[in-house]
Amino acid sequence: DAGITQSPRHKVTETGTPVTLRCHQTENHRYMYWYRQDPGHGLRLIHYSYGVKDTDKGEVSDGYSVSRSKTEDFLLTLESATSSQTSVYFCASSSGGIDTQYFGPGTRLTVL
Amino acid sequence: KQEVTQIPAALSVPEGENLVLNCSFTDSAIYNLQWFRQDPGKGLTSLLLIQSSQREQTSGRLNASLDKSSGRSTLYIAASQPGDSATYLCAAPNTGNQFYFGTGTSLTVIP
Repeated sequence: DAGITQSPRHKVTETGTPVTLRCHQTENHRYMYWYRQDPGHGLRLIHYSYGVKDTDKGEVSDGYSVSRSKTEDFLLTLESATSSQTSVYFCASSSGGIDTQYFGPGTRLTVL
Repeated sequence: KQEVTQIPAALSVPEGENLVLNCSFTDSAIYNLQWFRQDPGKGLTSLLLIQSSQREQTSGRLNASLDKSSGRSTLYIAASQPGDSATYLCAAPNTGNQFYFGTGTSLTVIP
């Protein structure tokens, strides 16, 4: 399996505070993704990256920003967290845009 | 926008039974169809990837089929075991490199 780690694994924060989630992969994959998983909605794409400094929006990008300064790292930032952003966040990577995706263990974020 | 639906949402079967999980999608212009497994509290693990030009793909007791014209894929699990208990998700990437996931089928295999 691809080596993908996420940090932190759990976080509780308050409404209005900024939050950054980190994804790190050791497979030299070109593509990286951020998803959120909510009951009844399945996994929904937030943002993805197709190379260093190359990112694009997904289905539910409002309120989120991303950055990718190195191949191995993909950061997801909530500029001002809201309760609606309480969710489980998954990072994934793949060698190509339509290839098998390898997922990290997830980050459970609670916004109070 | 691609809509991916999985039926049933939950399934409970006795050990040893063969079973079929269903996945349907609205846009047949897909590159491939992927099946994943998710254990509680864990990330997703890739099971099978069927290219759009293929009809089926097999891995051990798992067999996945793809019918693009009807917008359907099925995952067949032979001789189910308690260790197969998990949520199974299908996903279809579109031309924009975006994956659309179904909400999954939660499978419980009873010993």
